[in-house]
Amino acid sequence: DAKTTQPPSMDCAEGRAANLPCNHSTISGNEYVYWYRQIHSQGPQYIIHGLKNNETNEMASLIITEDRKSSTLILPHATLRDTAVYYCIVSSGGSNYKLTFGKGTLLTVNP
Amino acid sequence: DTAVSQTPKYLVTQMGNDKSIKCEQNLGHDTMYWYKQDSKKFLKIMFSYNNKELIINETVPNRFSPKSPDKAHLNLHINSLELGDSAVYFCASSQDRTDSNQPQHFGDGTRLSIL
Repeated sequence: DAKTTQPPSMDCAEGRAANLPCNHSTISGNEYVYWYRQIHSQGPQYIIHGLKNNETNEMASLIITEDRKSSTLILPHATLRDTAVYYCIVSSGGSNYKLTFGKGTLLTVNP
Repeated sequence: DTAVSQTPKYLVTQMGNDKSIKCEQNLGHDTMYWYKQDSKKFLKIMFSYNNKELIINETVPNRFSPKSPDKAHLNLHINSLELGDSAVYFCASSQDRTDSNQPQHFGDGTRLSIL
């Protein structure tokens, strides 16, 4: 699976949009971009995933560049409860796929 | 209505003991996983099972033996516990779909401390 690079930490003001970048320059054609987050002392929580097109769900939006070498997770209106470590993961998906977690980005939402 | 539940939540035991962690999912998923998160917070996969069959084994010591009595359960038995086994162990599950990529759903973890 391709490796990802994320900033170690970011800050965001409550109510503002949080934009979390991720580089995955070695991604291959059949690999998806997944985003998970881990709130302190809890298990990882799935947020969103995509292959080529931008995706949106009730939690966030995922913007993938045309060359697929980077992506941005957008939390449109960050709340204090969004403070967590956010992981960008590249995986081929399918059945029985494994998630390889890196260090992620610690997003701190400030009041 | 917990989706993926693990027991116990906390486990404190002596070095050399044998212990088990249980995991159950009520999502009807076909695949279950065990991950380990060490003190440096790195999360790594250990095993995955699909319909009670071992699929992924990431060079985990033989002291760790997963057991899947049915596709809703994946238990982790650890023999001769060592200090380095202290970690948080997460169970996860996903639906086995070859036509789409289904997310993995995680439990809240079992915090294992070896004295």
